[in-house]
Amino acid sequence: GAGVSQSPSNKVTEKGKDVELRCDPISGHTALYWYRQSLGQGLEFLIYFQGNSAPDKSGLPSDRFSAERTGGSVSTLTIQRTQQEDSAVYLCASSFRDRHEQYFGPGTRLTVT
Amino acid sequence: GESVGLHLPTLSVQEGDNSIINCAYSNSASDYFIWYKQESGKGPQFIIDIRSNMDKRQGQRVTVLLNKTVKHLSLQIAATQPGDSAVYFCAESGMDSSYKLIFGSGTRLLVRP
Repeated sequence: GAGVSQSPSNKVTEKGKDVELRCDPISGHTALYWYRQSLGQGLEFLIYFQGNSAPDKSGLPSDRFSAERTGGSVSTLTIQRTQQEDSAVYLCASSFRDRHEQYFGPGTRLTVT
Repeated sequence: GESVGLHLPTLSVQEGDNSIINCAYSNSASDYFIWYKQESGKGPQFIIDIRSNMDKRQGQRVTVLLNKTVKHLSLQIAATQPGDSAVYFCAESGMDSSYKLIFGSGTRLLVRP
């Protein structure tokens, strides 16, 4: 079956520009997560959506980062006024409600020049 | 703050030998632990998980051991194969009402032919 998909796979942007990263979760999964992975590092939690509940935004590093989830499915992570330290792989994961096991997409590699 | 860390950044093993990857966690309130495998350019792939009310769980060629007394987690891979070469991450969850995962920094497993 179809897994989590993310687009674009790679994004190069200039410092100061805004970027949008997209995630399509597995059909039927009500929970969606965004993580960030810097080079050679582990994954850092950013934000969590569960159904119609208010999202857990506790991992967002600054107010330049925001995310939304439309219709309980597709999610978009937006980074405004990108900085070089934003360069990383952004990973999306989804899961069934009340389940810990998360399924990851291939990620979007963001490079800020 | 809370963290999940790994003892060995790189582990090199001979094909056919058993591999043991270790992980220390610091949050005694965590009740769920999971191992992921990440190959180059891909998102993390679920391997095996374990709840805090268990101390051992077996899968196909993999075993996870949990020692809550010393807050230690390990992944054992039997008869390691070249396809097992990847970065392995442990993660913990359940310390609050969120299902977000807190990841360690990863161990690279290299399998020598």
